[in-house]
Parts: sequence; structure tokens; C-alpha cells
Amino acid sequence: DTGVSQNPRHKITKRGQNVTFRCDPISEHNRLYWYRQTLGQGPEFLTYFQNEAQLEKSRLLSDRFSAERPKGSFSTLEIQRTEQGDSAMYLCASSLYDYPTYNEQFFGPGTRLTVL
Amino acid sequence: TQLLEQSPQFLSIQEGENLTVYCNSSSVFSSLQWYRQEPGEGPVLLVTVVTGGEVKKLKRLTFQFGDARKDSSLHITAAQPGDTGLYLCAGKDTGNQFYFGTGTSLTVIP
Repeated sequence: DTGVSQNPRHKITKRGQNVTFRCDPISEHNRLYWYRQTLGQGPEFLTYFQNEAQLEKSRLLSDRFSAERPKGSFSTLEIQRTEQGDSAMYLCASSLYDYPTYNEQFFGPGTRLTVL
Repeated sequence: TQLLEQSPQFLSIQEGENLTVYCNSSSVFSSLQWYRQEPGEGPVLLVTVVTGGEVKKLKRLTFQFGDARKDSSLHITAAQPGDTGLYLCAGKDTGNQFYFGTGTSLTVIP
């Protein structure tokens, strides 16, 4: 297993277009997280899944954002009608949740989105 | 909203010097993690601390979790150019969210 992978690594789009990012977690991990990171800041939590269920969404996640994890494996994050303020690095992380054992998150390399 | 404040925000030091990075919050966390991130890459986990007052050492890096589990520090001894990067702390609340700090950008000059 090569770790968490994300595609594409870079995306440039025009304002108003829709974009979709994909995250492939570590295969046995049941939890998957999405974060957004802007320059000079730490990552901000967007949402997370346990298996295929989306259990929590941040207030930061506007109606233009939607995430899915249909089979409990890979996940997609779609942004509709992109705005310049959406420009950021979108990070995915996965972990194996096995209560009460604490397991760490492993991050992918991120997708850098630039909205022109 | 960033619940964790890191200081300093930027740090530039000479190779061989020691440094300490602080991560402070008014919130209590069930655990706290430290990551290092290089440009264009995702954060890489360095350590997780769980118990108040816990100290963990990773070669030249020493991590401490505050007694009240609200703050943490990272101390690097004899910094090397390979230590250059963005250092992030992240606290986990009693739920399932991780809150990241504002980050400390470290540059170690050869």
C-alpha cells in the first residue's frame, strides 16, 4: 500500500465551473476526512466519513460543496459554481477507527485548486 | 475557527541552534498531534500525546503535553536544515474532529 492518494494534484478552473476531486484512502482504513488549507494556515476540517456514512460536516462547508464515499472506499469532493475564495489546498486523510484504540490520521499529498 | 494558536508563526535559525514551538488553546483536548508539512505535500505525523504532562522524545525532538491538556510544546535540539518545514499541532476533542493550529514555519540555515 502506497498510502493515501489524491487526484488531480493540481486543478485550475474558471470561476463558476464545477470541479471534482478524488481521494483513495489506505485500503483497510474506515474513516476518511476532508480538510481545506489556505496559504499560511493550518488545515480546516470540512467533513468526515466512517465507511460510507458522512457523520459530520463543518459549518464551513457551504451548499456548493458535496462529498460522497459511495462504497466506503474512495471519496469524491465536488465544488459547484466555484468562486475565487475556494482557491486552496484540499487535503484528504484516512484512519482506522477501532474504539477504544486511538489510530492516527494519514494525509494524502493534497489537490491544489486555483480558481481564476 | 482556529482553536489552537501556535507561536512563533515564523522562525529562522542557524544550524545547530535549539528552538521551541508552542501550541496553546483555551480548550481541553483528548489528544494532541504534531505534524511536519513540506511545500506542496500533506502533513506527516510526528507524534501523538494523550496524557496530561506526557513527554515524548523522537531523536532530537521533544514533545510535551500540558498538564491540563490545553497546550503543548515542541523542542528541537541542534536543528538541522532537514528540519525545515511547517510544523502543525492538531488537537482532537471528545468527538471526532481534529482542530489544527495556525502553524509555525521553520527555516534552518546551513
